[in-house]
Amino acid sequence: AQSVTQLDSQVPVFEEAPVELRCNYSSSVSVYLFWYVQYPNQGLQLLLKYLSGSTLVKSINGFEAEFNKSQTSFHLRKPSVHISDTAEYFCAVSQTSYDKVIFGPGTSLSVIP
Amino acid sequence: NAGVTQTPKFQVLKTGQSMTLQCAQDMNHEYMSWYRQDPGMGLRLIHYSVGAGITDQGEVPNGYNVSRSTTEDFPLRLLSAAPSQTSVYFCASSPFDRGSTEAFFGQGTRLTVV
Repeated sequence: AQSVTQLDSQVPVFEEAPVELRCNYSSSVSVYLFWYVQYPNQGLQLLLKYLSGSTLVKSINGFEAEFNKSQTSFHLRKPSVHISDTAEYFCAVSQTSYDKVIFGPGTSLSVIP
Repeated sequence: NAGVTQTPKFQVLKTGQSMTLQCAQDMNHEYMSWYRQDPGMGLRLIHYSVGAGITDQGEVPNGYNVSRSTTEDFPLRLLSAAPSQTSVYFCASSPFDRGSTEAFFGQGTRLTVV
């Protein structure tokens, strides 16, 4: 069965510092990978996704994630965070276009002024 | 665009009471699902539907019922509420190729069972 691990439950980081949120998944086949963001008291929103092609995918607000098949990872990075990036971040995986999406436990990013 | 609408936003129930959480989407998506979110556990799938008249169980279905009589609506019923069902519930919808497309989430329902 698929599973998603997010090793860091909480990540505090100072404003304008870089950040990396780690995500590892378990699957023996090709996967689709997602990062969702949840701002306080809101539902989840898609941040970026990897389906195929270039292993580096980027969002419109400066986040990027790199798919590493050999390490079964899909870490999320941002070179310089802002206060507005404070949120919960969820990594998710599916195996096919018609498969259910499995979510990780989430990482709470706190940006400190 | 309304997207996915959940009602109510907050609810307090007594143990043993029943209630229905409403979910409606206006994007004509075939796939709809219910998740519960608990601290440190992420989102766990309760039930899902791949189209009107078709539902199936997710990871944690016990204590919950669903039905899908229309494409737009996917209510979640708690038959006899228990304190273990205190959680935040999210409804989501996506096109049928749900594994590779964006899921659209509602704002959530915060349920407390006392």
